[in-house]
Amino acid sequence: DQQVKQNSPSLSVQEGRISILNCDYTNSMFDYFLWYKKYPAEGPTFLISISSIKDKNEDGRFTVFLNKSAKHLSLHIVPSQPGDSAVYFCAAGRGTYKYIFGTGTRLKVLA
Amino acid sequence: DVKVTQSSRYLVKRTGEKVFLECVQDMDHENMFWYRQDPGLGLRLIYFSYDVKMKEKGDIPEGYSVSREKKERFSLILESASTNQTSMYLCASSSRQGSYEQYFGPGTRLTVT
Repeated sequence: DQQVKQNSPSLSVQEGRISILNCDYTNSMFDYFLWYKKYPAEGPTFLISISSIKDKNEDGRFTVFLNKSAKHLSLHIVPSQPGDSAVYFCAAGRGTYKYIFGTGTRLKVLA
Repeated sequence: DVKVTQSSRYLVKRTGEKVFLECVQDMDHENMFWYRQDPGLGLRLIYFSYDVKMKEKGDIPEGYSVSREKKERFSLILESASTNQTSMYLCASSSRQGSYEQYFGPGTRLTVT
């Protein structure tokens, strides 16, 4: 049973517009959430995180929103750039050890 | 600059061979992880280690073992490689203090024929 789900395998967005990537989780014990970006033939790179005590965290063009009651988080990229084209993974966990990753969403930003 | 390195980018092995994948981190991190990435399945945790000589099973440990003799090095061992172990293998490390981000290596694409 998948505890972390990314229901959209792919997403296409025009350059300059907003990209919204979604992630749902089932385990209410998760208290920390991470987003990673992955280019082909490279390891994932950390993008942004959020703790369950917050509902929003911003870092430049990237904002993550957390809705604990809905067990849902989303990553907003504004404005989207062609270099943002990659696979995005969300991950959820508790504390410092084991994190569960979603299946990823492939974002394509069209120039 | 933080760094996680993996011994090989590409590896081709035959069914039944014993395979060693090595991972080294230079960040003095306590935690180290091995994942495999397969299309449509995301990253799945094979094993992790939270200290030297300590290990815990992840979600898919069958057919794998690990070794952590030194803090900076975490090895994944395929005792008898099978074709269903063809995959991208990713190593990661994280600190037990502060933030929980995991830092990943570039991955090893293993093909078992």
